[in-house]
Formats: sequence, structure tokens, C-alpha cells
Amino acid sequence: AQSVTQLDSQVPVFEEAPVELRCNYSSSVSVYLFWYVQYPNQGLQLLLKYLSGSTLVKGINGFEAEFNKSQTSFHLRKPSVHISDTAEYFCAVTLRAAGNKLTFGGGTRVLVKP
Amino acid sequence: GAGVSQSPRYKVAKRGQDVALRCDPISGHVSLFWYQQALGQGPEFLTYFQNEAQLDKSGLPSDRFFAERPEGSVSTLKIQRTQQEDSAVYLCASSPPGLAANEQFFGPGTRLTVL
Repeated sequence: AQSVTQLDSQVPVFEEAPVELRCNYSSSVSVYLFWYVQYPNQGLQLLLKYLSGSTLVKGINGFEAEFNKSQTSFHLRKPSVHISDTAEYFCAVTLRAAGNKLTFGGGTRVLVKP
Repeated sequence: GAGVSQSPRYKVAKRGQDVALRCDPISGHVSLFWYQQALGQGPEFLTYFQNEAQLDKSGLPSDRFFAERPEGSVSTLKIQRTQQEDSAVYLCASSPPGLAANEQFFGPGTRLTVL
């Protein structure tokens, strides 16, 4: 079975500063990796995904993530955050087959301060 | 186009009542998932349908939870004799066939509060 650990439950950051959200996973087989964002009272929105190929993945809203197979990590970064990036961020994995369930980390709450 | 919709958005139930939560997936999406998100936690898988077939129900926490998708489109998650520990946001997601099958599109969720 696979599992996901998000090391930081909360990350305060000032506007226009960079942010990194850490995600580590464990799995005995190859997985696909995702980052989702959840704004208050809304469902989850896909930020980016890693399926194969280049280990640096660019997503929406200026976010990017790097897949590191040796460290089983998929950390999310943004070089300059906005107030509107205040939200909860979830890292997730799924097995490399259609129709497989997502396994989520516990989430990281990002609070952007002016 | 229209995304995944869920109804009701909020539901308050007295302990012991039965509830039914509805999910309308994106048209053409064959896969449908239900997740439970407790307060302050990440979503946890409940069950998965491919068309009308329920292929995985390993995440359903008890036999009080039941899901169906009789015509391969709309799905209903039913919880019988609700308990306080059932209070959570229930998320529905759908995904298309083919190579994009691993991307799931989420609805806004139904927040269930059991008193």
C-alpha cells in the first residue's frame, strides 16, 4: 500500500516571498504524483501532476514541483506568493493504472500575510 | 463546461437518521470516486465505480455506508443510522477514459454534520 507524508501542517509566508511545501511518499510500485489545492468551502483543484518524463513539472498559478525518485519526494514550490494563494494544499499518489484511488497526505495550510 | 456537482452542499442530520448524498459527474466520465474528508485531514478513499460497476469499496468504514450508480452516471452515497463520527465533507470525483484516466475532477463536496 502507498502512503503520503506532508511534513508541514501549516506554513505562514509573507506576500511575494517564495514557498516550498514538502511531500514524501512510499510505495512498492511506480506511482503517479499530484498536487491539489483546496480553497475554503470548495472542492479540490489540480495544480500539477507527474506522470513520466521530465522530473520538473510546471502547473497553474506559477507553481512547480520536482519529482525525486531516490528521495521519494515531490516538493511543491512557488517563487513569489500572492494573498490569493492562501489555501490548503494536498499531495497525492495513485498507482499507475486507470481507475485507481488517490491516496492523500494530511495537507499543508498556507497562510500568506501582507 | 459543467464540472462535477454535488447536492446538497450542506446536510445536518440527527444521530440515527439516514442520509443520501448525490453526485453528478462530468458527462462522459466513466470513473467515479467517493472520498471522506474529516476536519483538518486529507481526503480518504471510500469507493470507486467504473460505469455502473462498483469495483472497489474497500474504504467504506462500515456496513452503514452504501453507494450506487445504477445507470453509470449519477451516484448516490447513502449512510444509514448516522453517527457523530460520520461528520465530514464527502467529496465526489470523476475521471475520463483513456490516458487521462488518472486525473480526477472533484466536486465541491457535501458537508455532513451529525448532531
